[in-house]
Amino acid sequence: AAGVIQSPRHLIKEKRETATLKCYPIPRHDTVYWYQQGPGQDPQFLISFYEKMQSDKGSIPDRFSAQQFSDYHSELNMSSLELGDSALYFCASSTRDSRRGQYFGPGTRLTVT
Amino acid sequence: GESVGLHLPTLSVQEGDNSIINCAYSNSASDYFIWYKQESGKGPQFIIDIRSNMDKRQGQRVTVLLNKTVKHLSLQIAATQPGDSAVYFCAEMPDSSYKLIFGSGTRLLVRP
Repeated sequence: AAGVIQSPRHLIKEKRETATLKCYPIPRHDTVYWYQQGPGQDPQFLISFYEKMQSDKGSIPDRFSAQQFSDYHSELNMSSLELGDSALYFCASSTRDSRRGQYFGPGTRLTVT
Repeated sequence: GESVGLHLPTLSVQEGDNSIINCAYSNSASDYFIWYKQESGKGPQFIIDIRSNMDKRQGQRVTVLLNKTVKHLSLQIAATQPGDSAVYFCAEMPDSSYKLIFGSGTRLLVRP
């Protein structure tokens, strides 16, 4: 079965640079979620989108922005990167009518040096 | 969820024994609770969920118990196998929200 696809899988950036993470949800899933997981920490919800509209917002820094496109894929844009942004970034997807069924992608490991 | 730093609570069990992983949640308005398994370098994988109007739900080798009085959730794994070694997270979903709030993880180590 098709799963959530994230790219790139690994990314190394320097401080103050920008990064773009991409997420391709499971086919027919219309909702995407972004989570950030620091080393040894639990995943923290950042933001979610349904039908290209932001549906929930969590602890996402103002330096980050995200959007969902008409094909339901989503991009997380991160600017003025800081060392503390180094983390695993997970995308999850679901259908809107199945709140419990969030399927996670393999994650993008971002390292800021 | 709050950070637990680099030192996750660890549960070490003998292969074949039963495991019980506990979790405290924070929001009494949450109506879904989910257990996830996360292996190193991978995304969280759904194990089992339970609605707030239930006390117990069983799956294959796993059982989730919900105690709303003390806001406590537990995951029981029967006949633990080496492949069960991973970090386990509980997550809650507040009513009318679609975001998951993860609790602190527990690392399960299965001794052969």
